[in-house]
Amino acid sequence: EAQVTQNPRYLITVTGKKLTVTCSQNMNHEYMSWYRQDPGLGLRQIYYSMNVEVTDKGDVPEGYKVSRKEKRNFPLILESPSPNQTSLYFCASRGAGRGYGYTFGSGTRLTVV
Amino acid sequence: ILNVEQSPQSLHVQEGDSTNFTCSFPSSNFYALHWYRWETAKSPEALFVMTLNGDEKKKGRISATLNTKEGYSYLYIKGSQPEDSATYLCAPGGDGNNRKLIWGLGTSLAVNP
Repeated sequence: EAQVTQNPRYLITVTGKKLTVTCSQNMNHEYMSWYRQDPGLGLRQIYYSMNVEVTDKGDVPEGYKVSRKEKRNFPLILESPSPNQTSLYFCASRGAGRGYGYTFGSGTRLTVV
Repeated sequence: ILNVEQSPQSLHVQEGDSTNFTCSFPSSNFYALHWYRWETAKSPEALFVMTLNGDEKKKGRISATLNTKEGYSYLYIKGSQPEDSATYLCAPGGDGNNRKLIWGLGTSLAVNP
């Protein structure tokens, strides 16, 4: 089944404790993105990757890191989480052509206390 | 593309009603427009990706049109069913290197049986 697998689904952590949210896709997609969803705001892009070893900042990259060492994986790293990073996070991937829509992961609900 | 507006913000209809929503966006540098359906507690799911002025796309009872010259897209649902209850997101993308999508806040549809 074509899918984006994102883990964990729920995470409660403490301020300053490094964490990684994993994202893996099995569709050989070039583009991968991380988004966060907060009440009253549209989906905001954190980081994106256009291919292996090609990553760049989105709209709200502060406090996050990513890597794209393999085409299928695009982990999101929070080196020192803070309460303002409490949010719903989505990983998404799509093909490089103009007509491709995003396939989203199941989301990660992160709470930083 | 800097700003996306979706209207109405929310909508309540009876089962069997037909309905439509609007997505407005600046028409310059248009690349593609995505429509997604987002059910509560699930992930956004791509409905349509539209790329050409005058495009019309259809999936079952749902259809969409695109006018890139005036900067709007309509989503239509014919004969709404309770399972159509969801938030419908539009996301136009510009022709920048990222082909970044700018997400609207969505139209929340509730279909009463």
